Amino acid sequence: NAGVMQNPRHLVRRRGQEARLRCSPMKGHSHVYWYRQLPEEGLKFMVYLQKENIIDESGMPKERFSAEFPKEGPSILRIQQVVRGDSAAYFCASSPTGEVYNEQFFGPGTRLTVL
Amino acid sequence: GQNIDQPTEMTATEGAIVQINCTYQTSGFNGLFWYQQHAGEAPTFLSYNVLDGLEEKGRFSSFLSRSKGYSYLLLKELQMKDSASYLCAVIDSNYQLIWGAGTKLIIKP
Repeated sequence: NAGVMQNPRHLVRRRGQEARLRCSPMKGHSHVYWYRQLPEEGLKFMVYLQKENIIDESGMPKERFSAEFPKEGPSILRIQQVVRGDSAAYFCASSPTGEVYNEQFFGPGTRLTVL
Repeated sequence: GQNIDQPTEMTATEGAIVQINCTYQTSGFNGLFWYQQHAGEAPTFLSYNVLDGLEEKGRFSSFLSRSKGYSYLLLKELQMKDSASYLCAVIDSNYQLIWGAGTKLIIKP
């Protein structure tokens, strides 16, 4: 499977717990983007990472949210002390370069439900 | 502020033609994407326009007018599988992608 992979596909957490979302980009892609999508709404940019570097985190809430893309392994989006408002679909996309003109390839998303 | 407007929902008949409009007010413009998203699935790339005019790709065409801040996606010979949301996204002057809320297209037999 050469596509973008995300896991888990569905994640249920209780308020106050931590959520960890994983994204493996397409082979050969070193640029990863995270988006959040609420029901009936568009995609909201959260963060853009390149291997071991956060390039742009302007869309990510300052508290409770963090992201990393280590040299080895998948990119991780971590949400600490989740609240009901964090319930959403979280999509990861990758591209071969950081050029915004490039098509982004999306993963299937992780649907987070906070009880 | 940044704003991208698309109709929330449209209905069309199988075999017909439908045009989905997108108007944008952004700080600068460096290109516009159209993506298709089936319910519960990931968005997939349809087209990219940066110059004025019509880009045709099979049954789908995308048009851009930069002076009017306007684009449309034209779908011909509609098939039931075209039922999906269609997302318009604009690259602004900071080279960030600004996404519209999407247009849900319902195809009826």
